[in-house]
Amino acid sequence: QVQLKESGPGLVQPSQTLSLTCTVSGFSLTSYNVHWVRQPPGKGLEWMGVIWSGGNTDYNSALKPRLSISRDTSKSQVFLTMNSLQTEDTGIYYCKGYFDYWGQGVMVTVSS
Amino acid sequence: DVVMTQTPVSLPVSLGGQASISCRSSQSLVHSNGNTYLHWYLQKPGQSPQLLIYRVSNRFSGVPDRFSGSGSGTDFTLKISRVEPEDLGDYYCLQSTHFPYTFGAGTKLELK
Repeated sequence: QVQLKESGPGLVQPSQTLSLTCTVSGFSLTSYNVHWVRQPPGKGLEWMGVIWSGGNTDYNSALKPRLSISRDTSKSQVFLTMNSLQTEDTGIYYCKGYFDYWGQGVMVTVSS
Repeated sequence: DVVMTQTPVSLPVSLGGQASISCRSSQSLVHSNGNTYLHWYLQKPGQSPQLLIYRVSNRFSGVPDRFSGSGSGTDFTLKISRVEPEDLGDYYCLQSTHFPYTFGAGTKLELK
């Protein structure tokens, strides 16, 4: 059964670094791409980036200076790291993969 | 970046009625490989987005034939016939032809 599940801290202080994990099951990261998408409260969706099945990455140009996506294929995990967080980074962060399966999302609040 | 202009912002409908949502892109979404990567999502309240239509007009697995997509180049439409209660929510178009991938701002389908 295909599943994706995001995990990480719910609260991050301004200027600090966000680290999220997407743990997948039911498919191999070496065969399918995984994307990260976020959604500020009450607003629309923003594509953040992707790690391709071959391990290469592409990022939203607006976030590229602060964003990194990596993976550990042995653990079936994809990692999102974003630094210099500000209040506008508050929102739900989703990973999606396989044939467009999405995780439940994780709420991240940037606040002191 | 490709700007996706989605209209209307809000769409009141009656159950059993029809709905039509437009998505226009600031540049052609025809990829160099000849495919057009324009997709439609529905996000129900409190849930992750779910794929309805991929590459303009292909219904994703399990999506009822009440949903149909059409269009080409820069102009695309999602139509919903015989609207049911489970169709209510926020609809988004997504282009994945050009980096960064970009979503429309969303259309809220609600009861009249």
